[in-house]
Amino acid sequence: DIQMTQSPASLSASLGETVSIECLASEDIYSYLAWYQQKPGKSPQLLIYAANRLQDGVPSRFSGSGSGTQYSLKISGMQPEDEGDYFCLQGSKFPDTFGAGTKLELK
Amino acid sequence: QVTLKESGPGILQPSQTLSLTCSFSGFSLSTSGICVSWIRQPSGKGLEWLATICWEDSKGYNPSLKNRLTISKDTSNNQAFLKITSVDTADTAIYYCARRLHYFDYWGQGVMVTVSS
Repeated sequence: DIQMTQSPASLSASLGETVSIECLASEDIYSYLAWYQQKPGKSPQLLIYAANRLQDGVPSRFSGSGSGTQYSLKISGMQPEDEGDYFCLQGSKFPDTFGAGTKLELK
Repeated sequence: QVTLKESGPGILQPSQTLSLTCSFSGFSLSTSGICVSWIRQPSGKGLEWLATICWEDSKGYNPSLKNRLTISKDTSNNQAFLKITSVDTADTAIYYCARRLHYFDYWGQGVMVTVSS
């Protein structure tokens, strides 16, 4: 199985601060990487797919980058509504595997 | 508009078989490239992919649970199903179905399943 190591586990950011979350894959996943946001009591919402493609309707302050085994999600200007849990997902090879998640809070 | 909705028993006893249904609209499981997956999330924990079924009836299972899982579909009624045999308390979780491309783009609201004696 491909292991996804996500960091940090938790993060606290001030309003307007730029935030980065990382995912490291145990092997090359050829940009088959997606990022999700999950709020309490809700299902995950797709933010980024194919490593850097913004899902329709997602604010442009969210961006993704990376290739090979290293990927990152950036939030350029933290907003109150960005609080929540963030997960990465690799869809390169079965079984699909998720990162352990990052809890993002507003400082 | 793509929507998915899960349904299940709510609560069941250890050793029973869990049967889940995913009812969806806005796409067809007979369309090339389309798959539906099941994912679960224990309370306060991360996400675990369980199984996927695709348009041509190929199936994939999480190896850690493979012997207990069966995924199937009813294309004409826009439904996908998951059965998990011999459940125990560790199977208590929210169960989601989602449409899969190389990622899950649309998710259902989830259904809570509790295994308790």
